[in-house]
Amino acid sequence: EVQLVESGGGLVQPGGSLRLSCAASGFTFSDHYMDWVRQPPGKGLEWVGRIRNRANSYTTDYAASVKGRFTISRDDSKNSVSLQMNSLKTEDTAVYYCTRVHSGGFKYLQHWGQGTLVTVSS
Amino acid sequence: QSVLTQPPSASGTPGQRVTISCSGSSSNIGINAVNWYQQLPGAAPRLLICCDNQGPSGVPDRFSGSKSGTSASLAISGLQSEDEADYYCAAWDDSLNAMVFGGGTKLTVL
Repeated sequence: EVQLVESGGGLVQPGGSLRLSCAASGFTFSDHYMDWVRQPPGKGLEWVGRIRNRANSYTTDYAASVKGRFTISRDDSKNSVSLQMNSLKTEDTAVYYCTRVHSGGFKYLQHWGQGTLVTVSS
Repeated sequence: QSVLTQPPSASGTPGQRVTISCSGSSSNIGINAVNWYQQLPGAAPRLLICCDNQGPSGVPDRFSGSKSGTSASLAISGLQSEDEADYYCAAWDDSLNAMVFGGGTKLTVL
């Protein structure tokens, strides 16, 4: 069974940093791209970014709203992906979901974690 | 303002057929597959329809997707009370080099 478990959420002040982690199990982690998606309280879904697999040189893409502030990394030996968030703003307050991208030709978000809440407030 | 446009709300009575639209452009829906996600109240989203019109195993065949040009639709037939949820369309945008979502449609079963 595919499992994605996020951790690291919490309260942080504007301008601060936070690192989220996602522990994956139940599949061959190294084969898959991994995405982060966020959802502000009471609002819709927003894609945050993607890290590809080794076969695609671990390249990354980010939403314009987080580019230059957020960094996605992965450790295939530990089946984990991380989201380093710097220079946090109040508008970054959201539930952050770790997702597994389908490994075939169509790249859709096949599995989702339960999410971790990040609150940016003074 | 979302890149993909969905109606904010939709409604129907049990047994009815409801459709939810998703409008995009030539850089996203026009050239890439559309996927739909369902988010039940208090839960994480889950994949509902992939690749324009494919339902993953475990998703009832009451749910179907279609696409024409730069627009897509999700249809739910035989509406049930447990279908009350938020529905999101999404696609990769080649100009933005990013995945884009619709703003979401809240479906109410009357």
